[in-house]
Amino acid sequence: KQEVTQIPAALSVPEGENLVLNCSFTDSAIYNLQWFRQDPGKGLTSLLLIQSSQREQTSGRLNASLDKSSGRSTLYIAASQPGDSATYLCAVPYSGGGADGLTFGKGTHLIIQP
Amino acid sequence: DTAVSQTPKYLVTQMGNDKSIKCEQNLGHDTMYWYKQDSKKFLKIMFSYNNKELIINETVPNRFSPKSPDKAHLNLHINSLELGDSAVYFCASSQEGVGYGYTFGSGTRLTVV
Repeated sequence: KQEVTQIPAALSVPEGENLVLNCSFTDSAIYNLQWFRQDPGKGLTSLLLIQSSQREQTSGRLNASLDKSSGRSTLYIAASQPGDSATYLCAVPYSGGGADGLTFGKGTHLIIQP
Repeated sequence: DTAVSQTPKYLVTQMGNDKSIKCEQNLGHDTMYWYKQDSKKFLKIMFSYNNKELIINETVPNRFSPKSPDKAHLNLHINSLELGDSAVYFCASSQEGVGYGYTFGSGTRLTVV
């Protein structure tokens, strides 16, 4: 059964810092990995989708890497801003691929101090 | 707008009632899901429907029943609501195939009193 762990559970840093959020998964037979952002009381916004054949994906100040063999992914946020404050969720396909739903980590609650 | 939309956004009801949450997607995806986010904010899949066929039914009480009239809609019906059913329920959709990501609705906050 796939399990997803995110470290740290919470992080508070001053504005402008670069930071790294970590995600690990127990079953490396995945086809992709997706990072989401959730604002308080809101839904999930997809940030980045990395296919298993890719090493990284970039979108603006966000960069996500994937090391499938070691079961790890990182989300790098450059030059953090107060608007980046949210919970960041890592998710992988439920049973290793296809349209079987996602297994989520418990998230990293990020606060960027102005 | 292309999206996954669910209604209502908020639902407050008494124990024992029956309620439904509706979900629609106009993305042309062929698989839809219901997820539950509990008080500790942990998201877990409840159901998956592909072309009107149930694929996953995780250890969810049979008081919960998904109903899919067509592949663009997946409604969640809950019978005999209990206090522990209070949570945020998210609908999502994806396109079958290993390369596709998932799109989520904005959630329905259910409070059972």
